[in-house]
Amino acid sequence: GENVEQHPSTLSVQEGDSAVIKCTYSDSASNYFPWYKQELGKRPQLIIDIRSNVGEKKDQRIAVTLNKTAKHFSLHITETQPEDSAVYFCAAKGGNQFYFGTGTSLTVIP
Amino acid sequence: EAGVAQSPRYKIIEKRQSVAFWCNPISGHATLYWYQQILGQGPKLLIQFQNNGVVDDSQLPKDRFSAERLKGVDSTLKIQPAKLEDSAVYLCASSVGQGVLVNIQYFGAGTRLSVL
Repeated sequence: GENVEQHPSTLSVQEGDSAVIKCTYSDSASNYFPWYKQELGKRPQLIIDIRSNVGEKKDQRIAVTLNKTAKHFSLHITETQPEDSAVYFCAAKGGNQFYFGTGTSLTVIP
Repeated sequence: EAGVAQSPRYKIIEKRQSVAFWCNPISGHATLYWYQQILGQGPKLLIQFQNNGVVDDSQLPKDRFSAERLKGVDSTLKIQPAKLEDSAVYLCASSVGQGVLVNIQYFGAGTRLSVL
């Protein structure tokens, strides 16, 4: 099955700086890559996603890039704000199933 | 649009006891997922339903876990008997599509289970 690795596990940035979280996947057939934000005690919320026929997608301060050849995709958050502090999960969809990374705890320091 | 509903939000039981969780997906969503999220880890799929049929239950510990979605709408997940290592948040999610068209998942708030 698919194996998704996520780095780093923790990340601290100063408010206003950028944050980058990276994921790799193993199954070249995976075709959909969502990113979820999970605040403490709350449900995972989809923040951005990308399909395998696209290399980059942007939504305001958030962007995702996908390199199918290298089998990795990254989340970029620019101009970080304290409310961006949360755990972020990447996932890869292969066939019917979603495979999640282990999460990155992002702390934005005011 | 109403979200995915789960109950209870919290449950504390002793090991070897039984517990059941309930999920009501978003109306019209054919696919329903149960995930186990252990503290500090990403969600791990336990079972996936398409309407009332099981699509994938390869990671469900079938000696103690069971799940059903009899009418293709709401679902229950049961653990019997519970072990200490079952302490986790149990997340339910749903999506509208079928097969390879399944894309966006919407998650419920989860049930936090503590096994003492």
